[in-house]
Amino acid sequence: QKEVEQDPGPLSVPEGAIVSLNCTYSNSAFQYFMWYRQYSRKGPELLMYTYSSGNKEDGRFTAQVDKSSKYISLFIRDSQPSDSATYLCAPLTSGSRLTFGEGTQLTVNP
Amino acid sequence: ETGVTQTPRHLVMGMTNKKSLKCEQHLGHNAMYWYKQSAKKPLELMFVYSLEERVENNSVPSRFSPECPNSSHLFLHLHTLQPEDSALYLCASSQDLNSNQPQHFGDGTRLSIL
Repeated sequence: QKEVEQDPGPLSVPEGAIVSLNCTYSNSAFQYFMWYRQYSRKGPELLMYTYSSGNKEDGRFTAQVDKSSKYISLFIRDSQPSDSATYLCAPLTSGSRLTFGEGTQLTVNP
Repeated sequence: ETGVTQTPRHLVMGMTNKKSLKCEQHLGHNAMYWYKQSAKKPLELMFVYSLEERVENNSVPSRFSPECPNSSHLFLHLHTLQPEDSALYLCASSQDLNSNQPQHFGDGTRLSIL
């Protein structure tokens, strides 16, 4: 079983839609959770960084962690074509080591 | 300007060539990482350095040889690579190994092996 499972998509939505991106993980020791966004031909950039269970909001983005079910979500409100990218979930293991999901490719159509 | 800079951005080499990838971070971080990113696969951690010492080598073949001369620079020396080594190689840095701080990535070197 993979430590982090993420539906690779591709996911295609119309502009203005609410997008839900999800990951599951198997290691109950994970405490910190990252979401990275990767545009084509670029490296991953940190989008959200959350600790333990709960929600964190930043503009149009909301990260949600449910440790009881080992489920991580990223919601994008009022999605824009500029949100088209691959989204990577990455729990932090020991120290600053990351375990990445496969990434979900998102396209927002104008 | 990105905090982590990688050169070259693209590299095409034959299987018998020797080349090096370079990474430089301007963030004052003490930990640096090399990753391999292949299509349809999660990022694979290759090497971890902390304060210029290698602390992790994830079963990477010896045809990949990392070097960290100081905390701002990281190299990946390549020799006699195989076609399956074609991938995007990403460098990252973090404050250190134990502070639960996120990693910051460069834009990678796209490597193609002929």
